[in-house]
Amino acid sequence: DTGVSQDPRHKITKRGQNVTFRCDPISEHNRLYWYRQTLGQGPEFLTYFQNEAQLEKSRLLSDRFSAERPKGSFSTLEIQRTEQGDSAMYLCASSLGGTLSGANVLTFGAGSRLTVL
Amino acid sequence: QQQVKQSPQSLIVQKGGISIINCAYENTAFDYFPWYQQFPGKGPALLIAIRPDVSEKKEGRFTISFNKSAKQFSLHIMDSQPGDSATYFCAATFTGGGNKLTFGTGTQLKVEL
Repeated sequence: DTGVSQDPRHKITKRGQNVTFRCDPISEHNRLYWYRQTLGQGPEFLTYFQNEAQLEKSRLLSDRFSAERPKGSFSTLEIQRTEQGDSAMYLCASSLGGTLSGANVLTFGAGSRLTVL
Repeated sequence: QQQVKQSPQSLIVQKGGISIINCAYENTAFDYFPWYQQFPGKGPALLIAIRPDVSEKKEGRFTISFNKSAKQFSLHIMDSQPGDSATYFCAATFTGGGNKLTFGTGTQLKVEL
């Protein structure tokens, strides 16, 4: 178990381009979360999955954002027609889920930093 | 609407001193309050957490104090060390909320020699 992995770590793109980020959670974790963090701010919730089902999406997740977790393992976050305001760190986290002790601990990856020029 | 307010924004403490970071929440449904530590270029990592049925939790040099009636909680770092220099985030969530965390805005701590 190597923790939560995110790829790429850094992405620079031009406005209007599409970008995709990948997250590989801890293997036994059922829940997977995406957060966005801008400089000097705390992470903001975007969406989360229970296995392959996307259970909640934040209002921050505009129509240009889409997330998938097709087989309940890794997840992708795609941003279409990027805007300069999309520049941020995109963090992925996973947790066991459920009600057992420790099930609600979120383990974060190192993040994917997006810069839109 | 910011549901978790954190202060101060930045903090400088001398080595060996006590670092204190405060948070206040609004949603009375919150029932789990973790603190995360983040180093530059890394994701946040869980430091310590508390549930509202206790008023204090201590793990090594880190202590959470919780005041349910005031809807406030704080992190105390005893004997602060230069290696503690990082950004600290308080957070909150509630059972049945999918463990979705609401974070504070963060406190950048610098421990000087």
